[in-house]
Amino acid sequence: DTEVTQTPKHLVMGMTNKKSLKCEQHMGHRAMYWYKQKAKKPPELMFVYSYEKLSINESVPSRFSPECPNSSLLNLHLHALQPEDSALYLCASRQPGGGEQFFGPGTRLTVL
Amino acid sequence: QKEVEQNSGPLSVPEGAIASLNCTYSDRGSQSFFWYRQYSGKSPELIMSIYSNGDKEDGRFTAQLNKASQYVSLLIRDSQPSDSATYLCAVNMNAGGTSYGKLTFGQGTILTVHP
Repeated sequence: DTEVTQTPKHLVMGMTNKKSLKCEQHMGHRAMYWYKQKAKKPPELMFVYSYEKLSINESVPSRFSPECPNSSLLNLHLHALQPEDSALYLCASRQPGGGEQFFGPGTRLTVL
Repeated sequence: QKEVEQNSGPLSVPEGAIASLNCTYSDRGSQSFFWYRQYSGKSPELIMSIYSNGDKEDGRFTAQLNKASQYVSLLIRDSQPSDSATYLCAVNMNAGGTSYGKLTFGQGTILTVHP
């Protein structure tokens, strides 16, 4: 089973709202990733968790706050976002040490 | 200099033809190479991975890797209209011996297969 799930599929929020994106995988992968993708651009790495510890933060603004409660779950907490943060947010996972990275279906976020 | 570069598109081929997608990368120490297909509004879907020099075939898809030339390509034989999508080349850049790696993507090539 090479499935990564993400909820919600779509999210519309105001600039003062607090919301969370969720990602789950049951492939036993211990590396999990958050990407942001704008239209007609490749995915842009935001965060990497390895063995539930934050390993990479690609200088992402603090209004994005990641969390990895356990080896299967990854959250992205959103607060005080800007309209330019509207994008497709993708979660991915892979085995540590190498191998293929699998993406979830993404959450389409719109910030009003 | 971009770390991963793909041939500029868009690429348009007739149905049944061979589509050729190319990618070069800058990090000579890279070990893992991937091709993703992305339909409009959807997430990237892994279609091929290649780790050693030479060809790797999977159905209508063939990935080719030449580490000396820092070049990886994807051939799609008997192209179908359903192959119309953006194809992303991704390279697992050396992340200092870490366990997680880091994918660097090319800008993508838009492929259109017309009937």
